[in-house]
Amino acid sequence: AQSVTQPDIHITVSEGASLELRCNYSYGATPYLFWYVQSPGQGLQLLLKYFSGDTLVQGIKGFEAEFKRSQSSFNLRKPSVHWSDAAEYFCAVSNQYNFNKFYFGSGTKLNVKP
Amino acid sequence: DTAVSQTPKYLVTQMGNDKSIKCEQNLGHDTMYWYKQDSKKFLKIMFSYNNKELIINETVPNRFSPKSPDKAHLNLHINSLELGDSAVYFCASRSQYEQYFGPGTRLTVT
Repeated sequence: AQSVTQPDIHITVSEGASLELRCNYSYGATPYLFWYVQSPGQGLQLLLKYFSGDTLVQGIKGFEAEFKRSQSSFNLRKPSVHWSDAAEYFCAVSNQYNFNKFYFGSGTKLNVKP
Repeated sequence: DTAVSQTPKYLVTQMGNDKSIKCEQNLGHDTMYWYKQDSKKFLKIMFSYNNKELIINETVPNRFSPKSPDKAHLNLHINSLELGDSAVYFCASRSQYEQYFGPGTRLTVT
């Protein structure tokens, strides 16, 4: 079975500081990995995805994530956070054999201090 | 144009009532989903339809009945609403490997 763990429930960073949100997955074969962002009262928007190839993927809004198979991780990073990045972030996993089903982590809420 | 739309956005109702939430996508996708997001923001899949056929049913109480009149629509009907049904319900549609979410319907059962 697949699962996703986001160990940090809340994170607070200062505007302009760098950000890293952690995501660990459980799956035996090669996973398909996603990061979504949810602003208050909104649906989920896809930030970036990894299927194969280059393990460092670039997304929208200046985000990037790195797939590390040895650590079963897919951490999300941003070099300089903006106040508008305050939101809930979800990591999700699927796979090539059953891409109908997505498993989501419990989310990390990001607060940005001025 | 909104890719995945849901109505209503907010729904407040009493226990025991029956209610429906509608979802439409204009992306031409074959597969659609219903998710439930609880008060702790945990997002859990409920149902999935592919071209009007049910392909995923995640042990949801049978008070919940999805209906897909065509591949662009997936509605969710809930009978005999309970307090524990209060949540945000998200509709999504899937391209080959990506999901696109609607804005959500916040259901409050009093």
